[in-house]
Amino acid sequence: GDSVTQMEGPVTLSEEAFLTINCTYTATGYPSLFWYVQYPGEGLQLLLKATKADDKGSNKGFEATYRKETTSFHLEKGSVQVSDSAVYFCALKRGGSNYKLTFGKGTLLTVNP
Amino acid sequence: DTAVSQTPKYLVTQMGNDKSIKCEQNLGHDTMYWYKQDSKKFLKIMFSYNNKELIINETVPNRFSPKSPDKAHLNLHINSLELGDSAVYFCASSQEGISRETQYFGPGTRLLVL
Repeated sequence: GDSVTQMEGPVTLSEEAFLTINCTYTATGYPSLFWYVQYPGEGLQLLLKATKADDKGSNKGFEATYRKETTSFHLEKGSVQVSDSAVYFCALKRGGSNYKLTFGKGTLLTVNP
Repeated sequence: DTAVSQTPKYLVTQMGNDKSIKCEQNLGHDTMYWYKQDSKKFLKIMFSYNNKELIINETVPNRFSPKSPDKAHLNLHINSLELGDSAVYFCASSQEGISRETQYFGPGTRLLVL
């Protein structure tokens, strides 16, 4: 079945540090890939997405590139801020009539001033 | 305007009780979902409805019964609550068949069973 593996947290960084959160997936066909973010006490918000190989999703300084050859969708940001502290979820969704999102286990990021 | 809303936000109840959580979306989407997030933040799909028809029913106890009175609403009723049901339940919606495929999540309902 489909699965998403993302790096275990927690991740603690200082402000302005470089961030990478690794994500790899297993799925048949050509899934769409997503990063969602959950701020403390809130629901999930879509951060970025990519729907086909070599697509790059970007938003709020975060980027991730859909790499089919390595089945990866790593999240990066060049300079994190305290306000980026949250839980980050990598997810995939197969096309066609398969509707569900399959999530990774989430990575807690804490950014210290 | 809130896109996906859930009520209540917090729910504290005793074991054995029956409770319902409501979800409404004003995005005009045709598909709605219930997810469960456990204490370790792991998210798992429970149900999905498309145009009021059940299309996903993961391995969930029969005590959980979703109901979709119309495309904009998906409620979750839980019978005979157990301690292990304590979690955060998220509703989501999407419009299938369009390239976006993005699911929009509600703020969550934090259920605590004592």
